[in-house]
Amino acid sequence: GAVVSQHPSRVICKSGTSVKIECRSLDFQATTMFWYRQFPKQSLMLMATSNEGSKATYEQGVEKDKFLINHASLTLSTLTVTSAHPEDSSFYICSASPSGSHMNTEAFFGQGTRLTVV
Amino acid sequence: AQTVTQSQPEMSVQEAETVTLSCTYDTSESDYYLFWYKQPPSRQMILVIRQEAYKQQNATENRFSVNFQKAAKSFSLKISDSQLGDAAMYFCAYDGGATNKLIFGTGTLLAVQP
Repeated sequence: GAVVSQHPSRVICKSGTSVKIECRSLDFQATTMFWYRQFPKQSLMLMATSNEGSKATYEQGVEKDKFLINHASLTLSTLTVTSAHPEDSSFYICSASPSGSHMNTEAFFGQGTRLTVV
Repeated sequence: AQTVTQSQPEMSVQEAETVTLSCTYDTSESDYYLFWYKQPPSRQMILVIRQEAYKQQNATENRFSVNFQKAAKSFSLKISDSQLGDAAMYFCAYDGGATNKLIFGTGTLLAVQP
């Protein structure tokens, strides 16, 4: 099956610094990728939809300036958490679907990134 | 707005037995997709099974099957011959054709007893 690689799998950063998380589709092109956040023992909450070559679409309540998304190619989307604070500590997951398919009928998820801000 | 409800925070089943996980949803759309995802301790999301709303036939994937009741807006997952590897968090998810966004339920933590 298709593979989505997310990097890093774990990251610890100091409060006030920025962290970049990469999401790559390894064997298919993805016009659209999705970024989710998952708190401990909770469900996945969609943060934003990343569109190749255009601005991301953010869900209500998600700060655009804090969670910068760039989708510069058909195989890579990045999420940058800027000026991170301890409350940003969470598990971040991306998903991608092959271009041309219905978005989520063939969604493949990355392995997730555990962010800890100290 | 669409919502997905999983009323069973935790479930337990004996190895080789059958267990059913419940999911209900609310939508005004007629065309949509429903999914069950498995999230083991590794946190990797794995698609278990999906169902297109326009299909009356219940989807099956080996030991996994669903009971899709469109009128009742119910989408339960049945796991037959449970195995230790089935232990995980299971999420029910909805995707409306208009939004192309996955909406997840709160999850059911399934334990499999040897």
